[in-house]
Amino acid sequence: GQQLNQSPQSMFIQEGEDVSMNCTSSSIFNTWLWYKQDPGEGPVLLIALYKAGELTSNGRLTAQFGITRKDSFLNISASIPSDVGIYFCAGQLYTDKLIFGTGTRLQVFP
Amino acid sequence: DTAVSQTPKYLVTQMGNDKSIKCEQNLGHDTMYWYKQDSKKFLKIMFSYNNKELIINETVPNRFSPKSPDKAHLNLHINSLELGDSAVYFCASSQEGLGPPNTEAFFGQGTRLTVV
Repeated sequence: GQQLNQSPQSMFIQEGEDVSMNCTSSSIFNTWLWYKQDPGEGPVLLIALYKAGELTSNGRLTAQFGITRKDSFLNISASIPSDVGIYFCAGQLYTDKLIFGTGTRLQVFP
Repeated sequence: DTAVSQTPKYLVTQMGNDKSIKCEQNLGHDTMYWYKQDSKKFLKIMFSYNNKELIINETVPNRFSPKSPDKAHLNLHINSLELGDSAVYFCASSQEGLGPPNTEAFFGQGTRLTVV
């Protein structure tokens, strides 16, 4: 089945650093979502984007819906230890099923 | 109160056995899903039900049979378990299916199935 490519695959950063990750697709979507999964838990929605070019923030997180509708970006500013986890993008076209990305594993060192 | 709850959290069983995973949501949502997360953490949808009716049925072996007795419950029954079925299975729910502005899908904690 279709999968979205996320990069980087993993990141090891120091507390306080900013983080950037992206997600690309071969086809367009009209909804982009970003989820975070903590170890042993299910994914939790961080940010939802519904319009090409849209830039949305949630605390230290900022996500953008790419203008081509084939990509999306997530930035985390001033990372803290609890940011550790796997970040997934997910795309959707109208009311079709959500397609998830391959995930970016984030490790934050104090 | 847990919004989407799955039981059991861990399930270890032998090849060839039949097992069930239960899911309940107390959010009043109309749509429920089963996702499979493999060892590489790839998340793939398996099934989607809306008001007890099957909406999405991905290419899943027919050994997997979802059952929705009411819109708050979606159980997953797996027959003749195989080694390759080992994965984490997530139940999720959303209001009226996915699509703005109700796109958020709430996930359960997952059931880690290990087939030995």
